[in-house]
Amino acid sequence: GQNIDQPTEMTATEGAIVQINCTYQTSGFNGLFWYQQHAGEAPTFLSYNVLDGLEEKGRFSSFLSRSKGYSYLLLKELQMKDSASYLCAVQDSNYQLIWGAGTKLIIKP
Amino acid sequence: DADVTQTPRNRITKTGKRIMLECSQTKGHDRMYWYRQDPGLGLRLIYYSFDVKDINKGEISDGYSVSRQAQAKFSLSLESAIPNQTALYFCATSDLQADTGELFFGEGSRLTVL
Repeated sequence: GQNIDQPTEMTATEGAIVQINCTYQTSGFNGLFWYQQHAGEAPTFLSYNVLDGLEEKGRFSSFLSRSKGYSYLLLKELQMKDSASYLCAVQDSNYQLIWGAGTKLIIKP
Repeated sequence: DADVTQTPRNRITKTGKRIMLECSQTKGHDRMYWYRQDPGLGLRLIYYSFDVKDINKGEISDGYSVSRQAQAKFSLSLESAIPNQTALYFCATSDLQADTGELFFGEGSRLTVL
């Protein structure tokens, strides 16, 4: 079966760095997405990786290793507004998105 | 105004009632999707449509039906609602021409079936 695993919850301190991991087992691979979802709101797109390596966008970076079925989202200089759930999703061989359950990130002052 | 609009935003109904959730978009995207989100689970695809004449079942289509009335409108119906359909429902769109296939979500419709 297809599976996306990510930690249920993480806690970090304002100003610090946090890494949210995502491992996947899917039938084929056509890209990996990270979305941010604040409580009660819609998910919003953060990043897309299709090739191995690191993609950097301001305070957020996303890494992919296709051979290991692994990705991480790195958030630097954490701000209180970064408190949200972070969703990992993989596009399989049919270009269908398989979603992880999300990681709830709690930022403490 | 939001690019992807869902109505109603919140609805409480009783078992056996027919419910329609509506979605409209101003992004000009051909592709539209309906997802449900439950606590502790990933988003699950109910139905998707790649153009007005194209409707496809997703992972969990049983108990649901859809209608693509126009490029900009995609409605989800629960013909006879049951309590385990209580969830947060999201409509989303994507652009066929985009490199990444990024999804743009509506604000969600919270449905409670008593």
